[in-house]
Amino acid sequence: GDSVTQMEGPVTLSEEAFLTINCTYTATGYPSLFWYVQYPGEGLQLLLKATKADDKGSNKGFEATYRKETTSFHLEKGSVQVSDSAVYFCALTPRDSSYKLIFGSGTRLLVRP
Amino acid sequence: EAGVAQSPRYKIIEKRQSVAFWCNPISGHATLYWYQQILGQGPKLLIQFQNNGVVDDSQLPKDRFSAERLKGVDSTLKIQPAKLEDSAVYLCASSPRQLEGEKLFFGSGTQLSVL
Repeated sequence: GDSVTQMEGPVTLSEEAFLTINCTYTATGYPSLFWYVQYPGEGLQLLLKATKADDKGSNKGFEATYRKETTSFHLEKGSVQVSDSAVYFCALTPRDSSYKLIFGSGTRLLVRP
Repeated sequence: EAGVAQSPRYKIIEKRQSVAFWCNPISGHATLYWYQQILGQGPKLLIQFQNNGVVDDSQLPKDRFSAERLKGVDSTLKIQPAKLEDSAVYLCASSPRQLEGEKLFFGSGTQLSVL
């Protein structure tokens, strides 16, 4: 079945460092891809999305490009801040009639001042 | 705009007891989801409603879990009887429509501990 694989955390960076969190997927056809973020004590919220191949999603300085050749949707940010410390989830919705969201296991990011 | 409301925030029960969680989605949202998030894992879909009809409950352990969405608005998820492995955060989410690429809005969840 459809699934998402993320790099294991925690990822620990110093402020202003470059961030990459890897995400690859397995799906029939071309799913929509998402990054959700969960800040401490808060609910999950959408960070960015891409609905077709070669689309780039971006928000709050984060970017991810839908790569169908490598079935990947890696999250990047050029300069992280302490406030970016959170758990990041890669997810997909398969191209069937369910539109359900399938999540990866999450990657915890800790940014030190 | 009010968000997705869930209650209670925390619940501690003993195994074999029953428990119920409540969710009030964002007004006007037709689609409602219940997810189970075990510590250290990503959320797993338990059940998806479109209005008051079930779209997908393939991963709901139906021998002990049940859910309903009366009148297509509020929803209740019940566990009876609970097992130790049911300890998790139960997340409710809603979306305006059932469409490709649609954004989900999540509640803060109910953290269940089964002792």
